[in-house]
Amino acid sequence: QSVLTQPPSVSGAPGQRVTISCTGSSPNIGAGYDVHWYQQLPETAPKLLIYGNNNRPSGVPDRFSGSKSGTSASLAITGLQAEDEADYYCQSYDSTLSGVVFGGGTKLTVL
Amino acid sequence: EVQLLESGGGLVQPGGSLRLSCVASGFTFSLYAMSWVRQAPGKGLEWVSAFSGSAGRTYYAESVKGRFTISRDDSKNTLYLQMNSLRAEDTAVYYCAKDGSGSYAARKYYFDYWGQGTLVTVSS
Repeated sequence: QSVLTQPPSVSGAPGQRVTISCTGSSPNIGAGYDVHWYQQLPETAPKLLIYGNNNRPSGVPDRFSGSKSGTSASLAITGLQAEDEADYYCQSYDSTLSGVVFGGGTKLTVL
Repeated sequence: EVQLLESGGGLVQPGGSLRLSCVASGFTFSLYAMSWVRQAPGKGLEWVSAFSGSAGRTYYAESVKGRFTISRDDSKNTLYLQMNSLRAEDTAVYYCAKDGSGSYAARKYYFDYWGQGTLVTVSS
């Protein structure tokens, strides 16, 4: 069981908006640690999508955005495209575990 | 262009040992913390260990503490993971990942570049 909780799956039609939640607790997101997001396409290594809660690395489309509030964070994807179909992971730090923690991952299906 | 190339994976019996390597290029290796992150077949990502940049600090997940040792050779731009007393649950693809925060503090780590991974299978 992961320290950060994500829904196992979400889906949406092309062009729609979807959000993926990442729920933590007081030793991690609630303590103010940043949340970061990764996209993992099938059979490939993860790729950084959002860092520092809401910052996009160069090359990541502005269709992807992140937010954080309290003990939770969210990844929003607008204008859904077929190539967005992938697994998405949130990541933060946990002071009780003294280490980096990931969410369990969310599989996005584009209908 | 940043590149991370892992090697050293393979099949090993329970209780055995293996050493993974990750050769980095395209950035000043010594200035950045580096981590190992693993992914068991069909499962999610699990952070394993980190080695800070010039601060020289090491960090481990509880699941590998006392069995795995992370090290680095900045003269060779190489990160290592020595894995001892391997268990079936250590079976995974092991990724080498570069810290993007530029900080010595593990609490700020995020991973801006990843290698392609190397598969470790622990089985008799």
